[in-house]
Amino acid sequence: DAMVIQNPRYQVTQFGKPVTLSCSQTLNHNVMYWYQQKSSQAPKLLFHYYDKDFNNEADTPDNFQSRRPNTSFCFLDIRSPGLGDAAMYLCATSRDRISYEQYFGPGTRLTVT
Amino acid sequence: AQTVTQSQPEMSVQEAETVTLSCTYDTSESDYYLFWYKQPPSRQMILVIRQEAYKQQNATENRFSVNFQKAAKSFSLKISDSQLGDAAMYFCAYRGFTSGTYKYIFGTGTRLKVLA
Repeated sequence: DAMVIQNPRYQVTQFGKPVTLSCSQTLNHNVMYWYQQKSSQAPKLLFHYYDKDFNNEADTPDNFQSRRPNTSFCFLDIRSPGLGDAAMYLCATSRDRISYEQYFGPGTRLTVT
Repeated sequence: AQTVTQSQPEMSVQEAETVTLSCTYDTSESDYYLFWYKQPPSRQMILVIRQEAYKQQNATENRFSVNFQKAAKSFSLKISDSQLGDAAMYFCAYRGFTSGTYKYIFGTGTRLKVLA
């Protein structure tokens, strides 16, 4: 089945140690999104790629970066994770910018020790 | 700035009964989309139902329907004949076009429990 895959499902990293989360999709969608979802809070959009065009949200900390080497893959890099970065990270795709529906992956739960 | 508010952190419903989840939003835009997403435990979020702001008719998808009140900026979800599989976190979401890009804004969610 076509889907959005996130690996790993659970990630533990140490305070200040760089970590990378990955997302892949078999939908051939042009847009890929990264959301941060802290416990009992709304998913918050960090940034999105429209094809190779990177769009950062104004309030996304510089500590968060992203790469999209090809249509299928997108990575979230946290350069120096702090305790406050512990959250569920959700990847989503949409066919294009106009398409209203987003398809979500299962998320990666990040723990910072 | 647009906001989405879900004032019910948790709701319970008896199996086969009907439940309504509330959502209010704030925007100055006239053209936008509203959504309800379902996030089952440890599974991915999926779209339940959507509503285009320019449509007056309320959207319906099988047992799921919405009550869209544009003037009141209210967008509630009604689940009829509730089933055990409906137990999940439900997020209300808004999509508008701001500063040259589409913006998705989610509410904080309502956890729905279905009692057997």
